[in-house]
Amino acid sequence: KAGVTQTPRYLIKTRGQQVTLSCSPISGHRSVSWYQQTPGQGLQFLFEYFSETQRNKGNFPGRFSGRQFSNSRSEMNVSTLELGDSALYLCASSSGLAGPYEQYFGPGTRLTVT
Amino acid sequence: GESVGLHLPTLSVQEGDNSIINCAYSNSASDYFIWYKQESGKGPQFIIDIRSNMDKRQGQRVTVLLNKTVKHLSLQIAATQPGDSAVYFCAEGQSWGKLQFGAGTQVVVTP
Repeated sequence: KAGVTQTPRYLIKTRGQQVTLSCSPISGHRSVSWYQQTPGQGLQFLFEYFSETQRNKGNFPGRFSGRQFSNSRSEMNVSTLELGDSALYLCASSSGLAGPYEQYFGPGTRLTVT
Repeated sequence: GESVGLHLPTLSVQEGDNSIINCAYSNSASDYFIWYKQESGKGPQFIIDIRSNMDKRQGQRVTVLLNKTVKHLSLQIAATQPGDSAVYFCAEGQSWGKLQFGAGTQVVVTP
């Protein structure tokens, strides 16, 4: 069974631009969670989508948004990029049928904002 | 939640020895805990999980211990190998799709 895939793997953007990251979950998984990982803050939860609905959200500004499609693929968007948005963005998939259990992570998208 | 400084705690272990990685969690109501291993340039990899109705769970070369009284979690790795060198994170399940991660511990295996 294929794992979680994320595209692109690397991105370089300029302050003020926007970016869209994509995540394809493990086949059969309906939940996709997104996390931001930085050296200073560690792994922080952004939001979770299940059956095309945002079911949970972390403490990030509204510049961070996401969506999920009917095939469970998910995208996250960051608008008006700031230098502090430079991070590894990870998505994780799970069955979504019971709490946060057993999330499987993709390799991440490394975003650099200059 | 917990924040991570620039310098992770480091555990140096000799190859073949057992490793013990410790983690304190914050929410006494959490009912699910999970350990991940993250190698450089990769996403976190699932190692083992445990629910709050258990004190101990064993996998292949790994054991997780849960002490709810003091809100402490540990991961034991038997016969540590060079391939075990990585950053290890504990996480607690808090709500739908959300894991709260600990700071992480860098494990360095020396020959």
